[in-house]
Amino acid sequence: SAVISQKPSRDICQRGTSLTIQCQVDSQVTMMFWYRQQPGQSLTLIATANQGSEATYESGFVIDKFPISRPNLTFSTLTVSNMSPEDSSIYLCSVVTDLNTEAFFGQGTRLTVV
Amino acid sequence: AQSVTQLGSHVSVSEGALVLLRCNYSSSVPPYLFWYVQYPNQGLQLLLKYTSAATLVKGINGFEAEFKKSETSFHLTKPSAHMSDAAEYFCAVSDGPWGKLQFGAGTQVVVTP
Repeated sequence: SAVISQKPSRDICQRGTSLTIQCQVDSQVTMMFWYRQQPGQSLTLIATANQGSEATYESGFVIDKFPISRPNLTFSTLTVSNMSPEDSSIYLCSVVTDLNTEAFFGQGTRLTVV
Repeated sequence: AQSVTQLGSHVSVSEGALVLLRCNYSSSVPPYLFWYVQYPNQGLQLLLKYTSAATLVKGINGFEAEFKKSETSFHLTKPSAHMSDAAEYFCAVSDGPWGKLQFGAGTQVVVTP
């Protein structure tokens, strides 16, 4: 298993600003992902965080809006840039520790943009 | 591309009654299928997973699910609901073991006394 710590747990931000969310895992993991859960909706994959290289983004998500870093095997950040109220969501970090194991999720970051 | 459809956005069950949550998948390759639960203000917790082994999968908290290829279904059941089962449940599919998941819309379960 993996213990995932996400920071901050929640934040209220002004539109036009940026917020960086951190995801720290207690052990080295194979894969790290970022998901978005808009109010009352399901989870949507934003991107796969790749160690030492650019993240792989899903359709509808771009690096300029959601820059991601993964400097090592236990840490990743997601930045939500130039925020608007439509970015108000829960952002979740997910990791896979090894092949054929399930994905573990952090507690999420609840973001409100005003 | 894979996708999952969960029938029923809200389900209300009486305490002690059967819980049945429906999930149908669409995949061009043998899928990996998962059920996750999300309690209020918490992250997701894995209930169970199907990865091409036994078609009847037992998970935590008394839940189980049956993979039926002919029906492209992976319905979640629990014989007797507890108040603590009130939560949102997500079915998810992956075409590989790497955790890149496509989630269904979710089903909110309410348990009444």
